[in-house]
Amino acid sequence: GNSVTQMEGPVTLSEEAFLTINCTYTATGYPSLFWYVQYPGEGLQLLLKATKADDKGSNKGFEATYRKETTSFHLEKGSVQVSDSAVYFCALSEKGGTGGFKTIFGAGTRLFVKA
Amino acid sequence: SAVISQKPSRDICQRGTSLTIQCQVDSQVTMMFWYRQQPGQSLTLIATANQGSEATYESGFVIDKFPISRPNLTFSTLTVSNMSPEDSSIYLCSVDPGNMNTEAFFGQGTRLTVV
Repeated sequence: GNSVTQMEGPVTLSEEAFLTINCTYTATGYPSLFWYVQYPGEGLQLLLKATKADDKGSNKGFEATYRKETTSFHLEKGSVQVSDSAVYFCALSEKGGTGGFKTIFGAGTRLFVKA
Repeated sequence: SAVISQKPSRDICQRGTSLTIQCQVDSQVTMMFWYRQQPGQSLTLIATANQGSEATYESGFVIDKFPISRPNLTFSTLTVSNMSPEDSSIYLCSVDPGNMNTEAFFGQGTRLTVV
């Protein structure tokens, strides 16, 4: 079945450092790819997405490009802030066996940003 | 987008007891999903709940342990039965986005601690 692999954390950075969180996927066909974020004490929310090869998703200074040739969707941000401290999940959408579209998540990467 | 309300938001339960979690959506949806997020782990799909039919469970999850009801198109419940400390997790409900390119929407989650 489809799966998502992302780098293990935690990742600890100083404010204004460059962030990369690696994500690769295994899938039949070309799924849509997502990054979700979970801030401390809050629910899961979409950060960005890309629905086809070479698409770049972006939001709040974060970017990720759908790379079909390397089956990757790495998350990047040029200058992180303390408020970016959260858990980041790479995910893909796949058609469920009973219809509908379910989400397959990576393991999650916890990011700590120090002032 | 859908607004999803879950309750309770958290609970502490004695081992051997059962807890029913409710999920209410502000619009009619065909399919709902229940996920589990164990401490420090990613989200794992428990089951898919279709209105008017039995839920479909993922490998490793069984109906006797996690019975699900789906009485109408806006509501579902998940029961965690005969709880043990290993069931301590966050349980989240989600709705089918309707197509592969749309992100999933999640409730705020129910944080369950079994003592």
